[in-house]
Amino acid sequence: EVQLVESGGGLVQPGGSLRLSCAASGFVFSDYFLDWVRQAPGKGLEWVARSRTKANSYTTKYATSVKDRFTISRDDSEKSLYLQMNSLKIEDTAVYFCVRSFGDFRSFDSWGQGTLVTVSS
Amino acid sequence: DIQLTQSPSFLSASVGDRVTIICRASQGIASYLAWYQQRPGKAPNLLIYSASTLQSGVPSRFSGSASGTEFTLTISSLQPEDFATYYCQQLADYPITFGQGTRLEIK
Repeated sequence: EVQLVESGGGLVQPGGSLRLSCAASGFVFSDYFLDWVRQAPGKGLEWVARSRTKANSYTTKYATSVKDRFTISRDDSEKSLYLQMNSLKIEDTAVYFCVRSFGDFRSFDSWGQGTLVTVSS
Repeated sequence: DIQLTQSPSFLSASVGDRVTIICRASQGIASYLAWYQQRPGKAPNLLIYSASTLQSGVPSRFSGSASGTEFTLTISSLQPEDFATYYCQQLADYPITFGQGTRLEIK
């Protein structure tokens, strides 16, 4: 069974940092693109960042709203995905989902349960 | 960025009804469109990919179609578990974007 389990969410002050983790199991982690998608309270879905596979040179993509503040990374040996979030803003408050896809142009076929990040003073 | 506009944003219907949700893209995206269902407090679940292909395990009452930049999700006969929010998503170009969502509620 495919499982994606996020952790690391919590309360942080504006300007602070937080690192999210996603532990994967049940599939060949290294074969898949992994992304972060977020959802602000009561709002819609927003794609945040993508980590491609080794075969795609581990390249990354970011939404404009988080570029230069967030860094996505992965450890294939640990089957883990990470999101380092710096210079956090109140508008970054959201549930962050870890999701997988099989490549560019491919949909998100598995989602984690999400972890809540609250940015507030 | 490619904008996706869903209509309606809110839909009230009864069990057994046939409902249609439309997603319009601001530019051509070929068939790189997916549909997701999200129940309250849960993660989204993939229903349809490549505009019209049913994801494994999804009931056949769900279907998708495309005509140019207009995409349609149809539920042929609503069941109680179908009352949820539905999102379209384009994967043709970065940034990946979602529609604003369609909330489907029981009449």
